[in-house]
Parts: sequence; C-alpha cells; structure tokens
Amino acid sequence: GAVVSQHPSRVICKSGTSVKIECRSLDFQATTMFWYRQFPKKSLMLMATSNEGSKATYEQGVEKDKFLINHASLTLSTLTVTSAHPEDSSFYICSARPSAGYTFGSGTRLTVV
Amino acid sequence: GNSVTQMEGPVTLSEEAFLTINCTYTATGYPSLFWYVQYPGEGLQLLLKATKADDKGSNKGFEATYRKETTSFHLEKGSVQVSDSAVYFCALLTQGGSEKLVFGKGMKLTVNP
Repeated sequence: GAVVSQHPSRVICKSGTSVKIECRSLDFQATTMFWYRQFPKKSLMLMATSNEGSKATYEQGVEKDKFLINHASLTLSTLTVTSAHPEDSSFYICSARPSAGYTFGSGTRLTVV
Repeated sequence: GNSVTQMEGPVTLSEEAFLTINCTYTATGYPSLFWYVQYPGEGLQLLLKATKADDKGSNKGFEATYRKETTSFHLEKGSVQVSDSAVYFCALLTQGGSEKLVFGKGMKLTVNP
C-alpha cells in the first residue's frame, strides 16, 4: 500500500534555531501533501497544503514565514520551523492522498527548549 | 463552520469489553465521515468510513453508522482486544472548492488483558 515516511520522529532544538521535517512518499508520487499540527488535547489542525512546484497554501492564522514549506519533487515535501520558540513545540504530521484515501506519516514530536 | 466533537479520554477497558466512542459533527452540506486509528509509533490509518447518510462503515470488528438526523458517527466494537489499544480520531471531509479533513481531538484507548 501507499506509504508516507516522515523524519525525524522526535527532535529537540534550542530557541531561535530552525528545524526541518521531511515527508516522503515512498511508493507513489504526490503532487499535493498536507501538513497538520496537533496541540496537546486538541484536534489535528491543517496548517498548509504543499503543492509540488508551486507555493504552498496556508490555512488562516498560520504564519508563512514561520513555517516554510518546500515541495520540490513529487516524492518530498519539507516543513521548516524557523526561529523556533517553545510555543512551537507540538506534534506535526504530514499526509498525502495517493488515490482515494489519505495516507499519513507517523508524525514528528518537536520540543523547543 | 466544519467541526468534529468526539469523546475525550483516555479510556481504559478490560479485554472483551464493549467499546463506544461518541462522535458528532457540524458541517455544511453532506460530508464524508471517517474513523482513523493511530497505533503507538505509527501514522494514522483509516479504520472505516461512510460517505452518505445511513451508510455503515465496518472494519476489524469496529462499526460506525452515519446518522444525519443526529449528526453523529459513533464508533463501536462489541469485544475489544489488547491490540486495539491506540488513539482513535473521528474526522470529516469537507465538500466544496478545497477539500479538507477536519479532525476531532482523538481519544486514547488502552485495553488491558
């Protein structure tokens, strides 16, 4: 079946640094990928839709300059959290839609100290 | 707007107990409804879905019926197993121009032998 690989699964970084999270479609091509964020005891919230070869579409309230998305190939989308702050600590999940359904990565737990 | 409200946990059950996880939704139009499951260390996986009113989704002993009159999609299983321990998310797929998955907060289930 279609598999989405997300890396790293956990990352701890210092305030002010940037962190890159990768999302790869392993056995299919994904022109579109989705990035979600989950706060403790909150829903998974869609942050942005990543489009191969063009700019990402961000949801209302999501800072484009804070959360940089690059989708340079049909199998890779990256999310970079720039100048991270402790409030950026969260669980980030990517997703793609290979055919009729959505496939999700296993998520990245980001902790900013 | 579109939203999903589901039972919050965590919930602990003994093996062979009956499980119900309540889920209600608010949406414009007629969304598709889903239950996703996330096992420890893995990505979200589709458990079951229903695309129209009165549809019943079923998989691995789990069932949920799309109830338009009560805007609900409650998940049930007659006899849970230890292997059912996971986080369960109710979700809807919005209709219209940009299709989006809207999730509930998720509920952690632990099944003890």
